[in-house]
This record gives sequence, C-alpha cells and structure tokens, in this order.
Amino acid sequence: EAQVTQNPRYLITVTGKKLTVTCSQNMNHEYMSWYRQDPGLGLRQIYYSMNVEVTDKGDVPEGYKVSRKEKRNFPLILESPSPNQTSLYFCASSLTVLSTEAFFGQGTRLTVV
Amino acid sequence: GENVEQHPSTLSVQEGDSAVIKCTYSDSASNYFPWYKQELGKRPQLIIDIRSNVGEKKDQRIAVTLNKTAKHFSLHITETQPEDSAVYFCAASIGYSTLTFGKGTMLLVSP
Repeated sequence: EAQVTQNPRYLITVTGKKLTVTCSQNMNHEYMSWYRQDPGLGLRQIYYSMNVEVTDKGDVPEGYKVSRKEKRNFPLILESPSPNQTSLYFCASSLTVLSTEAFFGQGTRLTVV
Repeated sequence: GENVEQHPSTLSVQEGDSAVIKCTYSDSASNYFPWYKQELGKRPQLIIDIRSNVGEKKDQRIAVTLNKTAKHFSLHITETQPEDSAVYFCAASIGYSTLTFGKGTMLLVSP
C-alpha cells in the first residue's frame, strides 16, 4: 500500500530534550516536506527536500533540522525543543515538486512541557 | 513570498445547500491551486486542484474556479452532505516553489 508513515503518532517531551520524528514514504517520491499545524494558523511549511541531499527552509524553520540521506526517509529533528513547538506535525511527499498531489502522513502530535 | 487568505474561517450550512469557500493569493506568478480536505483527527487529502491555464474544474459535487486577474479562487460544493463536514484548506504554489496554505475553513453540514 502506497503511504507516508510518521512515527511516533504522539509524543510528550520536556524542554531541551532532543527528539526526532521520522517520516518514510514507499512511493519513490522525490519531494518531501514537513508542516506544522496550529489552530487558526493552518499548515505552515517547516522544511522541504527536492531530492536526496537537497533540503531547504520553508516558512517556519527556526528550531528544526532535517536530513535527506536516502530518498524514502525525511526525519525532522528538534535539537532543543521548546513549548512553542507544541503542535501537530505532518510530513508530506509528492512524486516531484511539480506533481499535482501531496500525500500526507498521519500526523504527529507533539507536546513540549 | 506568497500569501494566501481564506474566507470564511467557519461555515455552517444545511444538508442539501451549497457551500462556497474563497481564497485570494498575492503572487501573480502562482500557477497551481489545490484544495485539501481534513476530517477530524485525520490527515489532509487532496480533493481537487486547478492550474492557472484553466478557469474552472468540476468533479461531481465539487468545483473550483480561478480568476487570475483578481487573484482569487473558490471551492464550490453543491448538495452538501453531513460527510462533507471537515476543515478545507486552499493552497497556492509557483512552479518549483512550495505550497502556501490558507488558514482553513471549518465546514459544518447539519442534517
């Protein structure tokens, strides 16, 4: 089954404790991205990657890191999480950046206390 | 960068009525405009999209119109059903750049 898989689905952590949210797709998509969703603010892009070893900042990259060492995986790293990073995070992928559809993962709800 | 405004933020209709959600964008170079539906607790999913060389696109009960001159596009849902209740997001992108989403519209369809 074609899908985008994020882990974990839910995470509660403490301020400053490094964490990684994984994202994996099995559709051989070139383009992957991370969004955060906050009430009243919609979906805001954090980082994106057009292909392996090619990443770039989105609209709200501060406090986040990503890597794209292989095509299928695009982890989101929070080196020192803070409470303002409490949010619902979505990973998405599409065949290329020009493809018509972005497939979203099931989401990761992160709480930083 | 691109800015997408979406209205209304909430919309309540009776089953069978039509619903219209409107979005405006700022960058005239934007050329791709998708609409995503997000049911409660679920991931966003593409429901329809339109490119700048097309003025209208229809898929069963949903349609999208685009006015490039005015830089706005709209989602139209006819004969609404309770299962249409969800948050709807519009988005815009320019060529190789990335999607900029509106803030979403919560649609509630009452039986």
